[in-house]
Amino acid sequence: AQTVTQSQPEMSVQEAETVTLSCTYDTSESNYYLFWYKQPPSRQMILVIRQEAYKQQNATENRFSVNFQKAAKSFSLKISDSQLGDTAMYFCAFMKGDTGNQFYFGTGTSLTVIP
Amino acid sequence: GAVVSQHPSRVICKSGTSVKIECRSLDFQATTMFWYRQFPKKSLMLMATSNEGSKATYEQGVEKDKFLINHASLTLSTLTVTSAHPEDSSFYICSAEGPGYEQYFGPGTRLTVT
Repeated sequence: AQTVTQSQPEMSVQEAETVTLSCTYDTSESNYYLFWYKQPPSRQMILVIRQEAYKQQNATENRFSVNFQKAAKSFSLKISDSQLGDTAMYFCAFMKGDTGNQFYFGTGTSLTVIP
Repeated sequence: GAVVSQHPSRVICKSGTSVKIECRSLDFQATTMFWYRQFPKKSLMLMATSNEGSKATYEQGVEKDKFLINHASLTLSTLTVTSAHPEDSSFYICSAEGPGYEQYFGPGTRLTVT
């Protein structure tokens, strides 16, 4: 079975600063995908970034980047130049690699950006 | 980008009645859709995986006769909560699988059973 662990229930960061959210996972699969989703107070889940396990290069999307350490089974999210709109719950998710497979979500990290 | 709609956004029903929630992928086709339940300040709990044209796969502990799922087309899946009880009150979220295996989520439906 796959498990996803987010060890930081709550975090805060000053506006314009950088913050890193941690995520670790446990799997015996070799082909899989990892995702970070954001859930603001509206509760709409928004895809932030994705990473294919077979790619060594860390994914980047504007202010968001990941540090993917496959051997350590770690997948952290770095948010640079934090903005007030980044305040949300952040969920890390794992999917073993093929179509139609379920996501395994972490328990989430509540991030507050302080003005 | 890929958009998934959900209807209704909020519904209040009386105990013992049934309520249907629709999930639509608006600008892409989704062979696979997922239904989740989320309690306040908690993560998403997968209820079932819905595949177009076939029976849904339910997670352990989810009553298939209570939570009926129909995925009749590549853009529509429905969840019907039958004989609803107050303990079924929750936030229900659907998602549709995109071309890169990512999931695109609907905005959710808040169900309140009185």
